[in-house]
Amino acid sequence: GENVEQHPSTLSVQEGDSAVIKCTYSDSASNYFPWYKQELGKRPQLIIDIRSNVGEKKDQRIAVTLNKTAKHFSLHITETQPEDSAVYFCAALTGYALNFGKGTSLLVTP
Amino acid sequence: GAGVSQSPSNKVTEKGKDVELRCDPISGHTALYWYRQSLGQGLEFLIYFQGNSAPDKSGLPSDRFSAERTGGSVSTLTIQRTQQEDSAVYLCASGLAGATDTQYFGPGTRLTVL
Repeated sequence: GENVEQHPSTLSVQEGDSAVIKCTYSDSASNYFPWYKQELGKRPQLIIDIRSNVGEKKDQRIAVTLNKTAKHFSLHITETQPEDSAVYFCAALTGYALNFGKGTSLLVTP
Repeated sequence: GAGVSQSPSNKVTEKGKDVELRCDPISGHTALYWYRQSLGQGLEFLIYFQGNSAPDKSGLPSDRFSAERTGGSVSTLTIQRTQQEDSAVYLCASGLAGATDTQYFGPGTRLTVL
């Protein structure tokens, strides 16, 4: 089955710096890659997603890139703010199921 | 409109007991998913319902786990003879018809098996 690896597991940046989280997947049939943000004790919230027919997508301070050949995709957050602190999960869709990475705990310090 | 809701929010049970967890999807969403999130881990897919089609049960970890979806709306996840390793947050998500449509998550049920 699909295997999604996510790195790093923890990331600490200073406010205003950029943060990058990387994921790799194993199943070349995967065609949809969402990113979720989960604050402590809350439900995962979709922040951005990308489909396999595009290589990059941006939404304000957040961008995602996809390299289908290498089977990896990345989340980029620019101008980080303390409220960006949360756990971020990448996922890859194969068939009906989303396969999630183990998450990256991002801490943005003022 | 209302989001995905789940009940109960917390459930504490004794080892060996059965539990039922409920999910109310967003109205009009035909796709419904159950995931399990263990402490410090990612989300593990359990089961997928799409309309009236047979569910995809490929993620259920054992035959103690089962799920139903009545009338194409509310879903119940049942865990029989609970074990301590079943302790986790059980998340439900719903979405529109296509698998690549956004999945909207409920708040989850935190299950603790003593």
